[in-house]
Amino acid sequence: DTGVSQDPRHKITKRGQNVTFRCDPISEHNRLYWYRQTLGQGPEFLTYFQNEAQLEKSRLLSDRFSAERPKGSFSTLEIQRTEQGDSAMYLCASSPGFETQYFGPGTRLLVL
Amino acid sequence: KQEVTQIPAALSVPEGENLVLNCSFTDSAIYNLQWFRQDPGKGLTSLLLIQSSQREQTSGRLNASLDKSSGRSTLYIAASQPGDSATYLCAAKTHNTDKLIFGTGTRLQVFP
Repeated sequence: DTGVSQDPRHKITKRGQNVTFRCDPISEHNRLYWYRQTLGQGPEFLTYFQNEAQLEKSRLLSDRFSAERPKGSFSTLEIQRTEQGDSAMYLCASSPGFETQYFGPGTRLLVL
Repeated sequence: KQEVTQIPAALSVPEGENLVLNCSFTDSAIYNLQWFRQDPGKGLTSLLLIQSSQREQTSGRLNASLDKSSGRSTLYIAASQPGDSATYLCAAKTHNTDKLIFGTGTRLQVFP
């Protein structure tokens, strides 16, 4: 069990570019979550999957954001036409059920 | 709508002190409450999870309590050490959703 992994760990991009982040959950965890955390704030929920089904999306997830979890394994979060306000830490978590969520190290995004 | 508040926002104590971090939530119909630790620029590490049917959980020098009727949870850290310096976040999960609602955290510094 290597824990939740995220790639890349850091991303710097220019406004208007598209970026994609990857999350690999703990094996056999059927639930996968994405959160966003800005400086000095607690994480805010974006979306979550049970297996390959996306069951809930926050209104924070605008049309520029899309998440997928093909085959119920890893997940990707894509942001199109990035804006400076998208700069944040993007955290992924997984859980085997309705209990403890285990978080990855996060991807820090900076939009210039 | 569940809202989670943490006080104090920051705390600085000398090594060896016992301390209490506070977490308040507005919706008493919670499923569980989880305490996390976050080191600067890192992901979240789960410390303790308290189910709604429980009153407290203990792990080493940490003890977390839950009082649903008053909408409060506390994290007690005994004999604090400089290695305890971090931000501590609490997060509530309600029955009708799988997402965590986080507080803004308490930034703890323990000095030698």
